[in-house]
This record gives sequence, C-alpha cells and structure tokens, in this order.
Amino acid sequence: KAGVTQTPRYLIKTRGQQVTLSCSPISGHRSVSWYQQTPGQGLQFLFEYFSETQRNKGNFPGRFSGRQFSNSRSEMNVSTLELGDSALYLCASSLGVRGPYEQYFGPGTRLTVT
Amino acid sequence: AQTVTQSQPEMSVQEAETVTLSCTYDTSESDYYLFWYKQPPSRQMILVIRQEAYKQQNATENRFSVNFQKAAKSFSLKISDSQLGDAAMYFCAYRRGQRGTSYGKLTFGQGTILTVHP
Repeated sequence: KAGVTQTPRYLIKTRGQQVTLSCSPISGHRSVSWYQQTPGQGLQFLFEYFSETQRNKGNFPGRFSGRQFSNSRSEMNVSTLELGDSALYLCASSLGVRGPYEQYFGPGTRLTVT
Repeated sequence: AQTVTQSQPEMSVQEAETVTLSCTYDTSESDYYLFWYKQPPSRQMILVIRQEAYKQQNATENRFSVNFQKAAKSFSLKISDSQLGDAAMYFCAYRRGQRGTSYGKLTFGQGTILTVHP
C-alpha cells in the first residue's frame, strides 16, 4: 500500500506570495493532519480534517488555511508569506480521528521564504 | 493544555549497546495515547512504538520497549542492541483518548538526537 505523499517536496517563495501544499493520504484513511516543523518551535499542530470538515485547529494565524476533498486528499494554503513561515510542513493520515488510530507521516514539503 | 518534555537534547550510544531516552508529560486526562516517533536525516517521521494509557503492560516492538509510569507521567524509550540505522531524532508525542475533543492532534516533545557510534 502506498504511503502518504506530499507535493511538492521543495518550494522557494518570496515574502508576500501565497503557497499551496498538497497531501494524499494512505488509501482508506479519512483523516489528514498538518504540522509545521521549525528548529526554534519544533513540531506544531496546524489543523486536522476528517470527512471534508476541519475538526481541530492549532494556534496559527488566519493566513494558514486548509481543506479536504471528497477523496480525502488535503491541501493547505499560506497567504502573504513571511520569512518565519520557512519550515518543513508535514502531513499525516490516519483511519479515523478517535480511538487508537496511528498517524502515518508523509516526507514533508520544505518551504523556504526569501 | 498538555505538554511533553524531553530533557535530553542529545544522546549517544555504542553500536550493540542499550540506550534509554526520557520523556515526561503533563495532562489532566485519564484516557490518552503516547507515541515515540523516529525522524532520520531524510525527515520522514516513522512511528516506533505506541502505548495506550489504560494498559498497564509496557509496549514492546522488537528491540524497542517503553517504560510507562502513569503516576509519574513518564514514558521512556529503551533501544536494545543499538544499530547504526537507529541514528535519528526521536520524538515523544501525546494524543488525547476517545473522549477528548482534540481528535487526532499530536503534541510533541522537543526531540532527542540519538547518535550511534560504530
């Protein structure tokens, strides 16, 4: 079974631009979560989607948004990019949102904002 | 809010030896899950082991085992017979249980870099 895939793997953007990252979960998984990883802040939860609905949101500004499609694929968007948005963005999928469901991570998208 | 603390920024071990990584957490919940994830230089997060809080028996996965002390809110990872491929950043993570409203949100510790010497 194919793992979680994320595209693109690397991205360089300029301050003020916007960016869209994509995540395809493992087949059959309906929950997708997003995390931001930086050297200073570590791993921080962005949001989680299940059945096309945002179920939970982390403490990030409104410039960070996301959505999930009917096939469970998810996208996250960051508008008006800032230098501090440079990070590794990780996507994780799981079968459901409750219970002992394990989360499986994708390889991440490395975003660099210049 | 739940917090997870890994007090060892770096650890090292000789190949074939045993090493223990520490993790403590703070929560008022009684139903939760704890995880250890491994992140090698490729940056791919890999689940190493999982522990349900309601289970008293410590989880074991081959060379990896945990020491789960619920009262002390401690969750350490023991790696036996260390191999060069074990070298990575290890993260301890917490997730609320079924009754929690945080769904699948994982709260991570700061991570411990493990170096394995040949």
